[in-house]
Amino acid sequence: AQRVTQPEKLLSVFKGAPVELKCNYSYSGSPELFWYVQYSRQRLQLLLRHISRESIKGFTADLNKGETSFHLKKPFAQEEDSAMYYCALIYNFNKFYFGSGTKLNVKP
Amino acid sequence: DVKVTQSSRYLVKRTGEKVFLECVQDMDHENMFWYRQDPGLGLRLIYFSYDVKMKEKGDIPEGYSVSREKKERFSLILESASTNQTSMYLCASSPYSDPGQPQHFGDGTRLSIL
Repeated sequence: AQRVTQPEKLLSVFKGAPVELKCNYSYSGSPELFWYVQYSRQRLQLLLRHISRESIKGFTADLNKGETSFHLKKPFAQEEDSAMYYCALIYNFNKFYFGSGTKLNVKP
Repeated sequence: DVKVTQSSRYLVKRTGEKVFLECVQDMDHENMFWYRQDPGLGLRLIYFSYDVKMKEKGDIPEGYSVSREKKERFSLILESASTNQTSMYLCASSPYSDPGQPQHFGDGTRLSIL
């Protein structure tokens, strides 16, 4: 069963436009949710996690338990934001799921 | 800074060979993971280990085994490589005590089975 769904394989926006990368998850308890990013020719790295409620590189993500979503948002996209983004879900200390990823392309 | 090192960036092997992928981390993390990363499928967990000699199957363990004899090292073994195991393999580590802690990834090994 697909635990984490990222419906968009590719998202193209112009520089300065708002961007939202969607993530929905399947779990009825209290999840740990993360966004990871992989820039071209770099290793996968943490962008942010819901528990810290922080903004990293202008990105934020809010956990909506009612809609089981954890969408990633940024009000003004930059060209350097172009990358592959993965949503991840962890629960019970031994369940780890990643989504299929969304490639964000920010055009000049 | 956490360092997760995978022994090879690129590897080419033949069908039927026994293949070893090695991963070492330097932060005394209890958890270590092996994923495969395929376009359109994202990351899928093959195996993870939460302690020395302990392991749990992930979503796609078939055709793979793992070994964790020392805390810092986690090996992925393809017992008899097949072409459908051609993929990018990522190793990661994280502390066990807090599931809210992120995983730290290596650079990946791009494995081609001919």
